[in-house]
Amino acid sequence: AQSVTQLDSQVPVFEEAPVELRCNYSSSVSVYLFWYVQYPNQGLQLLLKYLSGSTLVKGINGFEAEFNKSQTSFHLRKPSVHISDTAEYFCAVSESSGTYKYIFGTGTRLKVLA
Amino acid sequence: DTGVSQNPRHKITKRGQNVTFRCDPISEHNRLYWYRQTLGQGPEFLTYFQNEAQLEKSRLLSDRFSAERPKGSFSTLEIQRTEQGDSAMYLCASSRDIIEAFFGQGTRLTVV
Repeated sequence: AQSVTQLDSQVPVFEEAPVELRCNYSSSVSVYLFWYVQYPNQGLQLLLKYLSGSTLVKGINGFEAEFNKSQTSFHLRKPSVHISDTAEYFCAVSESSGTYKYIFGTGTRLKVLA
Repeated sequence: DTGVSQNPRHKITKRGQNVTFRCDPISEHNRLYWYRQTLGQGPEFLTYFQNEAQLEKSRLLSDRFSAERPKGSFSTLEIQRTEQGDSAMYLCASSRDIIEAFFGQGTRLTVV
């Protein structure tokens, strides 16, 4: 079985500052990794995904993440945040076969301060 | 591509009543998922359809819950004899392959 740990429930950061949202996962099988963003009362939107290949993945809105197999981590980063980045961010894993259902972390609320 | 559509967006029901939610996936997406999200938590997997076949159900899906996907198109999720603990956001997602799952905006259920 897989599990996902998002170590920070809330991250406040000033506008134009860099940010890192941490994600660690546990799995006995090969997995795919995802970051989704959720705005209030909305569904989830994919930011980026890691399936294979380069461990540095670039996504939408200037976000990127790095897959670290030895540390079983997939941290999300952005060099300069905007007010509009204020949202809930979810890390997810899925097995690389079968149903491909997602196992989500509990989320990190990013609050960008002016 | 009009996205995944869920109806209704909000539902308030009295405890003990039955409710049904509908999900229209992106056309030609053969995979369909239902998730439940409670306040302050990440979405939790409920069930999975490949075409019309329900291939996996979570243990979270008690016998009061039933889901269908007739003809492999839209899907419905029914909750019978609702309880206050069923209050949550119910999310539907569809995909054609593993590249990504597209989520609907969800149905927020409040049981009073």
